Amino acid sequence: QVQLVQSGAEVKKPGASVKVSCKASGYTFTDFPMHWVRQAPGQRLEWMGWLNVVDAKTKYSQNFQGRVTITRDTSATTAYMELSSLRSEDTAVYYCAREVPAAPTYFYYMDVWGKGTTVTVSS
Amino acid sequence: EIVMTQSPATLSVSPGERATLSCRASQTVYSNLAWYQQKPGQAPRVLIYGASTRATGIPARFSGSGSGTEFTLTITSLQSEDFAVYFCQQYNSWPRTFGQGTKVEIK
Repeated sequence: QVQLVQSGAEVKKPGASVKVSCKASGYTFTDFPMHWVRQAPGQRLEWMGWLNVVDAKTKYSQNFQGRVTITRDTSATTAYMELSSLRSEDTAVYYCAREVPAAPTYFYYMDVWGKGTTVTVSS
Repeated sequence: EIVMTQSPATLSVSPGERATLSCRASQTVYSNLAWYQQKPGQAPRVLIYGASTRATGIPARFSGSGSGTEFTLTITSLQSEDFAVYFCQQYNSWPRTFGQGTKVEIK
C-alpha cells in the first residue's frame, strides 16, 4: 500500500536548521508531486511548498521568505524539507503529502499524508 | 491568497444524528476543494475531493456538495469513529490554503 514514512522528532535551538525526510513506498515515486504542510499547536494547517519529483522544480509559500528548501533523492524515493533560521514559532508538526490528479480535471489534490514529524524549537 | 473559513468551530452531535459542516472561500475555487478528517495524533485522511467525489474507501455516509465559494460536508448517521476534526482545503490556486477546522464532538 502507499506509505509516506517520515523521520523522527527533532529538537532544535533558535537559529538552527532542520531537515525532515519523507520516504515513499507502494507506488512509483516519480509519478506524483509532493507537498509539505505544517501545523503549529492550535493553528490551522499551513502549506509550505510543493515539489515536482521528476525535475525537482519547486513552489514555495511566501510566508517562509526563502527559509524553506524542498529536495528529493529519486534513487532513495525520498523527499526532504529543510527549514532554516528556526524560531520558536516554527514549533509544529510537519507533514509530507502526495499529490494526485483529481480526475477528470487537470487539478491535483493531496491524497496520502505522512504521519508527521514534530519539530520543537527551544533554547 | 484565498482564505478558507469554516463554520461552526465546534459541532456537538449525538451518535446516529446528521452533521452538516460549512466551508466558505474568499473567492471562487470552482469545484477544486477537498475535505479531510483528522484525529488526535494522526495524519489527515482525505474524505472528499472535487467538492463531491468520495475518496477511495470512504463510507457513503460522507457526502460533499457546493461549488464556487460555498461548500458543505454532510455526515449522516454519525458513528463513534467520526468524532474528529474536519477541514477543507482549496487546490484551485497557489498557495494552497486550508480552513481552520470544525471539531465534531459527542453531544
